[in-house]
Amino acid sequence: DGGITQSPKYLFRKEGQNVTLSCEQNLNHDAMYWYRQDPGQGLRLIYYSQIVNDFQKGDIAEGYSVSREKKESFPLTVTSAQKNPTAFYLCASSIMAGGIETGELFFGEGSRLTVL
Amino acid sequence: DAKTTQPPSMDCAEGRAANLPCNHSTISGNEYVYWYRQIHSQGPQYIIHGLKNNETNEMASLIITEDRKSSTLILPHATLRDTAVYYCIVSSNDYKLSFGAGTTVTVRA
Repeated sequence: DGGITQSPKYLFRKEGQNVTLSCEQNLNHDAMYWYRQDPGQGLRLIYYSQIVNDFQKGDIAEGYSVSREKKESFPLTVTSAQKNPTAFYLCASSIMAGGIETGELFFGEGSRLTVL
Repeated sequence: DAKTTQPPSMDCAEGRAANLPCNHSTISGNEYVYWYRQIHSQGPQYIIHGLKNNETNEMASLIITEDRKSSTLILPHATLRDTAVYYCIVSSNDYKLSFGAGTTVTVRA
């Protein structure tokens, strides 16, 4: 079935370590996104990418990095520079119709990162 | 992008229609109204979106006022599985969708 796969679902890391969250989609979507969600709050945009080899910072990009070497993949690295990395991370992709984004985001099931 | 105001929570009875309000008084002419929902600990799910006209799909109906300053999402026959946080978002570009706190909807048997 088509969809977005995030892994791992749960991840624990020690302070000072970098960690990479995987996001893969087989929907043939051009655009992909990373959001962060803290308990009881909405989602905040970290990075987004509309085409391969190009990506843009969202509202809270500091302490994070991404790459978009393949259309299907958009991994997120949480670096040691991120001061409060414990959160729920969500990856999404979106449909484009006639070169215009339609507004329908498809989300993965999320990765829950806990820094010990 | 225009900001939205939603009530923090609401209850509704199973089998009845659920009407979720959203105010977006600063919406501009090229901005769409989007609705998503998020069931606990899952990724958000797209429900519906519209620009000016009312919209309906298999999940819900979206009613946008003539001045576009507010909208209502209608779940015609709420079920227990509709319990979720519902987000109303206004944006001209989906890659800049801003998900606020939303409305926590609890459907009661």
